[in-house]
Amino acid sequence: AAGVIQSPRHLIKEKRETATLKCYPIPRHDTVYWYQQGPGQDPQFLISFYEKMQSDKGSIPDRFSAQQFSDYHSELNMSSLELGDSALYFCASSPLGSDYEQYFGPGTRLTVT
Amino acid sequence: AQTVTQSQPEMSVQEAETVTLSCTYDTSESDYYLFWYKQPPSRQMILVIRQEAYKQQNATENRFSVNFQKAAKSFSLKISDSQLGDAAMYFCAYVGETSGSRLTFGEGTQLTVNP
Repeated sequence: AAGVIQSPRHLIKEKRETATLKCYPIPRHDTVYWYQQGPGQDPQFLISFYEKMQSDKGSIPDRFSAQQFSDYHSELNMSSLELGDSALYFCASSPLGSDYEQYFGPGTRLTVT
Repeated sequence: AQTVTQSQPEMSVQEAETVTLSCTYDTSESDYYLFWYKQPPSRQMILVIRQEAYKQQNATENRFSVNFQKAAKSFSLKISDSQLGDAAMYFCAYVGETSGSRLTFGEGTQLTVNP
């Protein structure tokens, strides 16, 4: 079965640089979520999109922005990167009427040096 | 705000035995969903089982079952016939009718399976 695809899987950036993470949801899934998981922590919700519109917003820094495109893929843009942004970034997707059942991608490991 | 608490940072079990992971949550919502996710060393988040709050019957998925006590706001995961591949970090998660669709996770329980 098709799964959520995230790219790149690993990314190394320097402080103050920008990064773009991409997420391709499972086909026919119309909702995309982004989570950030720091070392030894549980995942924290950042933002979600339903039918290309922002549907919910969590503790996402102002330096981050995201959008969902017409083909339902989503991108998380991160600017002025800080050392504390080093984390595993998950994208998850869910289909309409799924009762919030979210399927996670493999994650993008971002390292800021 | 809703909170999820997993009071067992680490648990261990012998292969083929049964283990129960605990989770409690705090909410004022009446309609919500609870999940257990597994995160093996690969760091992939894998959905193990889910429970709808309006259903009294406990969910079961093969060797995985839950004990959902709504009044006590408790949602424990029982793993029967534990296998080496069950070793992972397990996260309890909550999503409610008024909390958008965001998952709120507990701190996680690291499960070790001993051969």
